Order: sequence, then C-alpha cells, then structure tokens
Amino acid sequence: NAGVTQTPKFQVLKTGQSMTLQCAQDMNHNSMYWYRQDPGMGLRLIYYSASEGTTDKGEVPNGYNVSRLNKREFSLRLESAAPSQTSVYFCASTREAGENYNEQFFGPGTRLTVL
Amino acid sequence: AQSVTQLDSQVPVFEEAPVELRCNYSSSVSVYLFWYVQYPNQGLQLLLKYLSGSTLVKGINGFEAEFNKSQTSFHLRKPSVHISDTAEYFCAVSEGTGFQKLVFGTGTRLLVSP
Repeated sequence: NAGVTQTPKFQVLKTGQSMTLQCAQDMNHNSMYWYRQDPGMGLRLIYYSASEGTTDKGEVPNGYNVSRLNKREFSLRLESAAPSQTSVYFCASTREAGENYNEQFFGPGTRLTVL
Repeated sequence: AQSVTQLDSQVPVFEEAPVELRCNYSSSVSVYLFWYVQYPNQGLQLLLKYLSGSTLVKGINGFEAEFNKSQTSFHLRKPSVHISDTAEYFCAVSEGTGFQKLVFGTGTRLLVSP
C-alpha cells in the first residue's frame, strides 16, 4: 500500500495563476482532509470531506476549492494564487470506525511558492 | 472551540538526556489527544494517542504521554533521547464525539545534540 500520495511535490506559481493539488489514498478511508502548514502556526485545516460526495470548510478555506472525486481522491484547487498561499500543503485521511480509528494518515506534502 | 498550546517552540537537549515537551489544551467537551512527529521534509506520523482509559499512554520510539484532565495537559516524555529524535512534534486535540477534526498546536522543535 502506498498510503496517502500527493502530487506535485514542489510547485512555483506566479500571482494569479491557478493550479490543482492532487491527493489519493489506497486505504479505503472515508474521510479526507487538506491542511496548510506555515512556520510558527502549526497545521490549519482548509477543507475536509467526511465521506464521498460531501465537503466542508475548515478553519482557513478562503481562496481554495476542493473536489472529492471519488472515495480515493480529494483535490485542492487554487483559482487565483496569491503570495499568502505560499505554504506546505498536506493531505490526510482517516477511517471513522474500526482499527486505527481516529488516526489521521498524512501524505508527504506539496511545497508551494507563489511569486 | 478547542485550542492547543505548545509553549516551547524549540527544546534543545543532549543525547541520552530525558525530555518533556509540554502541551495544554482547552475544550468544553471530552477530547481525544494526539502527538504527531514530523521529520525534516516529511509528512506527519502518529506517535501516540489518548482516547480513553489509562491516562499514561505509550507510543512508538520509546515516547509516552500522560493525560491530566484537571490540568488540561498532555505532556510528551522520553527518558533518553537519541540524535534521530530530532524533529518537530505536534500536539493535537479533537472532540470526543462526532466527526473528528484535529486542532493542532504550533509545534515544538526538538534538537538533540551529541
């Protein structure tokens, strides 16, 4: 099992450009999450998907959109990138019952720079 | 709403010394508590978690944490650290019921030197 995978690993954008960060998990988890990590601020939740077909805003959703394409995939889109969105983005997933209930499994991250 | 405070942004320690990383939380409901570790340029990995039961929780790599409800704390300890423990450590909390959303602290960088 690959666990949680994210593409790309690195990206540089110019202000105003758009891009989509991809995330996939092969653990048959119901719930998926997008976080951003900034120095001194820990991880902050952008959006989450409790189950296939549902998405909800987290703590810092402005400037982002998400799509839960199917049970495996959860993408994050920046429609018009801004320098304030320079960050490291992490995708995570978890199952809602059974073994390892409540443990979030994280991807390796995408390091995004907006110039 | 829940919040997590990690007062120490950085903790330097010598190899084989004991270490404690502090975590305090605030919540009006029962909580689940977690410690995650992030090695350089990697994602987060679960160290240990408290859901219920014994307040002393043992995790991977020799770490343990103690849940103290009266002090609303969940401090992480290791009796003897290794160079390889150098990493950033995050405390996180989620509500004890309903859909789980984690609230993270700002992290503590553990620097182990020889």
